[in-house]
Amino acid sequence: DTEVTQTPKHLVMGMTNKKSLKCEQHMGHRAMYWYKQKAKKPPELMFVYSYEKLSINESVPSRFSPECPNSSLLNLHLHALQPEDSALYLCASSQRALTQETQYFGPGTRLLVL
Amino acid sequence: GENVEQHPSTLSVQEGDSAVIKCTYSDSASNYFPWYKQELGKRPQLIIDIRSNVGEKKDQRIAVTLNKTAKHFSLHITETQPEDSAVYFCAASINTGRRALTFGSGTRLQVQP
Repeated sequence: DTEVTQTPKHLVMGMTNKKSLKCEQHMGHRAMYWYKQKAKKPPELMFVYSYEKLSINESVPSRFSPECPNSSLLNLHLHALQPEDSALYLCASSQRALTQETQYFGPGTRLLVL
Repeated sequence: GENVEQHPSTLSVQEGDSAVIKCTYSDSASNYFPWYKQELGKRPQLIIDIRSNVGEKKDQRIAVTLNKTAKHFSLHITETQPEDSAVYFCAASINTGRRALTFGSGTRLQVQP
């Protein structure tokens, strides 16, 4: 399996809702990433997990809460989001973090916050 | 931190022509430079990458060149086809430090049939 998968593909939520995005890879990669991508912009790094431990938090608001239950799974818990948080959320993985390793992206979850 | 600038922001070429996209980076410690292609509504996909110990790399119609002294790298696509139409992002990363990848702002390539 050489793919990163993400669920759901689309998500619409209100500002008071709690939802979670899920990411999975079975390539044996030990680094996993969350990116946020707004329309016509490059992906912006949010979080990096290395060996299931959070190694980078790019000053992301606490309404975004990442979780790495095991080496294959990465979640992003969402709570009390704002309309400006609407974006494509991309998960990626690589063999290791912070090295010259290729990052493989998932298809993304397109989030709309009303 | 690292800053990556990418030009042009849009590029339109005729089918069969070549396309060149250029990026510059600020941190001389950067040593890995991937290029991603993102079609509308799809995930970024790695198309080619180069490491700082190499000056040029080619894969069929795609080539990347790196000039470490000038701190710039370029993507060259020859014999362009309509299916090459997409947004292309360059990126740079350092082997150590906080940032995994810093992306350029993207180039929207349109190949006219």
